[in-house]
Amino acid sequence: QQQVKQSPQSLIVQKGGISIINCAYENTAFDYFPWYQQFPGKGPALLIAIRPDVSEKKEGRFTISFNKSAKQFSLHIMDSQPGDSATYFCAASRKYTGNQFYFGTGTSLTVIP
Amino acid sequence: NAGVTQTPKFRILKIGQSMTLQCTQDMNHNYMYWYRQDPGMGLKLIYYSVGAGITDKGEVPNGYNVSRSTTEDFPLRLELAAPSQTSVYFCASSADFTGELFFGEGSRLTVL
Repeated sequence: QQQVKQSPQSLIVQKGGISIINCAYENTAFDYFPWYQQFPGKGPALLIAIRPDVSEKKEGRFTISFNKSAKQFSLHIMDSQPGDSATYFCAASRKYTGNQFYFGTGTSLTVIP
Repeated sequence: NAGVTQTPKFRILKIGQSMTLQCTQDMNHNYMYWYRQDPGMGLKLIYYSVGAGITDKGEVPNGYNVSRSTTEDFPLRLELAAPSQTSVYFCASSADFTGELFFGEGSRLTVL
């Protein structure tokens, strides 16, 4: 059973456009929602994260929007660049449970020049 | 700063063979994890450890074993390799409750 559902599976965006990736979860005990970025042949790396006490977090061109009542969160990449082409994973975790993370199935983003 | 180091990067096994994937971190993190990554499936937690001498099962532990004798090392053992264990394996570590996972570069395992 997939604890975190992610869509779309793949995304193609023109340079300068906005990339949007969505995730949904069921377990209301989750209290930490990170996004990881993975380039081919590399391990995932933390991109940005949010806790449920805020509805939005912005770091440069990357923004997480969080809707606690809908149990959904999304990653927005503004002014998308070819260097953003990578696979993005959303995740969710609960503290005090071994810090276990549940990952979405990933979104392959391609930014066309 | 090396971070999380995994070896080997690539390995081909025959069905029934055994092997150990090595993982070492130099950040003095208490928490360590093993994930497997399969196409379209995301990352699935195999085992994790909250400190030396303490390990616990994740979502997909069958066919694997781990040990944690030191803070730095967290090896993953496959006892009887099966084709279903063909995957990319990632080791990760994190400090207590900070949330950020630091991943190694992965070990690609093929079982034929």
